[in-house]
Amino acid sequence: GAGVSQSPSNKVTEKGKDVELRCDPISGHTALYWYRQSLGQGLEFLIYFQGNSAPDKSGLPSDRFSAERTGGSVSTLTIQRTQQEDSAVYLCASAEWIVGTTSTDTQYFGPGTRLTVL
Amino acid sequence: ILNVEQSPQSLHVQEGDSTNFTCSFPSSNFYALHWYRWETAKSPEALFVMTLNGDEKKKGRISATLNTKEGYSYLYIKGSQPEDSATYLCAIRGSTLGRLYFGRGTQLTVWP
Repeated sequence: GAGVSQSPSNKVTEKGKDVELRCDPISGHTALYWYRQSLGQGLEFLIYFQGNSAPDKSGLPSDRFSAERTGGSVSTLTIQRTQQEDSAVYLCASAEWIVGTTSTDTQYFGPGTRLTVL
Repeated sequence: ILNVEQSPQSLHVQEGDSTNFTCSFPSSNFYALHWYRWETAKSPEALFVMTLNGDEKKKGRISATLNTKEGYSYLYIKGSQPEDSATYLCAIRGSTLGRLYFGRGTQLTVWP
């Protein structure tokens, strides 16, 4: 079946510009996550959506970063006034939430968007 | 914040060698451990999700063990092949459905 897709695959932008990154999760997955990997660093959590609950924004590095998830499906991560330190691979993942169980859930990742800020 | 450590940072082996790497994590606030394989320009691929102390999982030539009391997991690859070359990521989940805390990964290169 279709996996998680992300677009664009690569984005080069100039410092100070805004960018939007898109994520299409696996159909039926209610949980959606954004992570990023900067050069030489591990994967870093940014934000998490679960159904209609308020998102967990605790990983967003600054107020220039925001994300939304429309209709419980597609998500957009927006970075305003980009800085060079925003250069990274941005990964989206989705997971199935099985209500009423304690079953472990796998987070399925997309291929990422490589963002380069010049 | 859960601090996840992976070692070694990188590993170079010959085709046919068996290898293993380690993931260490704080044993408190543990819910699940995830192993991923990440090849360049591809999506990270889920290998295993493990929750119980003493758990062992196997997928082909790859297997993993988990010790939640002492806070470590081992990933083993038997008879490494060039196609096993990738970065292997370990991550900890501290709650039923929450964020993952990742280690920096072990980069494996298998030479033919």
